[in-house]
Amino acid sequence: EIVLTQSPGTLSLSPGERATLSCRASQSVTSSYLAWYQQKPGQAPRLLIYGASTRATGIPDRFSGSGSGTDFTLTISRLEPEDFAVYYCQQYGSSPRTFGQGTKVEIK
Amino acid sequence: EVQLVQSGAEVKKPGESLKISCKGSGYSFTSYWIGWVRQMPGKGLEWMGIIYPGDSDTRYSPSFQGQVTISADKSISTAYLQWSSLKASDTAMYYCARHLGMATISVLTNWGQGTLVTVSS
Repeated sequence: EIVLTQSPGTLSLSPGERATLSCRASQSVTSSYLAWYQQKPGQAPRLLIYGASTRATGIPDRFSGSGSGTDFTLTISRLEPEDFAVYYCQQYGSSPRTFGQGTKVEIK
Repeated sequence: EVQLVQSGAEVKKPGESLKISCKGSGYSFTSYWIGWVRQMPGKGLEWMGIIYPGDSDTRYSPSFQGQVTISADKSISTAYLQWSSLKASDTAMYYCARHLGMATISVLTNWGQGTLVTVSS
């Protein structure tokens, strides 16, 4: 099973700042099958990025994903008020699919 | 519009059985895998397993194999998650979600609203 470790656990930033979230895998992620989801309180998760760097339909271009192998990054170029949430990475190339433990982006 | 609508919240006692549902609409239900994800109170997401409604091919996470049963009834475009004997530790929000593409390897793109299951004596 691939273990995904996200860092930091919490990121305290102000609107307009840049957010950089990390996801490290215990072994190489097959074909960059790495996704990022956003979850707000009381809501279901929402797919942001798949294939490590492809934005899902309707996702603003301030969200970008990068990385390969075992190290992946989600970058939010300029935080909007609606971006404060918890973010999860997921690998979907190996069974079982696994999620990271999440990074909370909170308002500073 | 693709929609997944889950059944309502449940309150059960330990040892009871339960089956929750996830009804798909707005797409070919038999052509896309549906996954189930657990979220325990205040915790992260856990992938439980997936089912292909076209032929009921099912894959489980080892953590959930033998603990739950995933099934589907394609005649009514509905997937299910069931327990034969609930435990207090099954208390969680359960989400169903559809794969983005038709392949086994895909991300979860359209999510249900979640079903809260509370198990308490």
